[in-house]
Amino acid sequence: DIQMTQSPSSLSASVGDRVTITCRASQSILSFLNWYQQKPGKAPRLLIYTTSNLPSGVPPRFSGSGSGTEFTLTIGSLQPEDSATYFCQQSFVLHSFGQGTQLEIK
Amino acid sequence: EVQLVESGGGLVQPGGSLRLSCAASGFTFSDHYVEWVRQAPGKGLEWVGRTRNKAHSYMTEYAASVKGRFTISRDDSKNSLFLQTDSLKIEDTAVYYCARGGGWYMDVWGKGTTVTVSS
Repeated sequence: DIQMTQSPSSLSASVGDRVTITCRASQSILSFLNWYQQKPGKAPRLLIYTTSNLPSGVPPRFSGSGSGTEFTLTIGSLQPEDSATYFCQQSFVLHSFGQGTQLEIK
Repeated sequence: EVQLVESGGGLVQPGGSLRLSCAASGFTFSDHYVEWVRQAPGKGLEWVGRTRNKAHSYMTEYAASVKGRFTISRDDSKNSLFLQTDSLKIEDTAVYYCARGGGWYMDVWGKGTTVTVSS
């Protein structure tokens, strides 16, 4: 099984801040890394697919990068509506998720 | 509108069974992989399993934690996905989501159905 580890587990930042979340895989997953955003009581929402691609409707302040075993999700200028939990997910061998990063707006 | 709607959750005793359903609309269901993902209370997301599409022989794949106890099936004529859960354990308590898969990512999610395993 491929283990996914996110850091930090939680963070607090202010509106306008640049925020970075890291995801590490236990083995190379090439670029098969996706990010999801989940707000309380809601289903997850696809945020970025295959490392750096944004689905339609996702604001361009979200970006992703990386390859192999280390990946990052960056929010370029944090907005109040970005308060959520973020999960990375590998799809190189079946699927597995990171434990999540809870992002709070100060 | 592209939509997935889960149903069938409820309270069940340990060792019991439940059959969850997921109704799809707004897209060509038969073209897609369909996945089950669950989330225990206050916890993260856990992939449960998936069924591939007809082009990939409807192959099913499962997480180790549910293999042998859960069975995924689909009925493309009814745009429906199913999850038969048997030999349920307390740790299977979760919200169960179905999601449209493209093979590499899950781009449409239902709102989930809650399964509670308790005596």
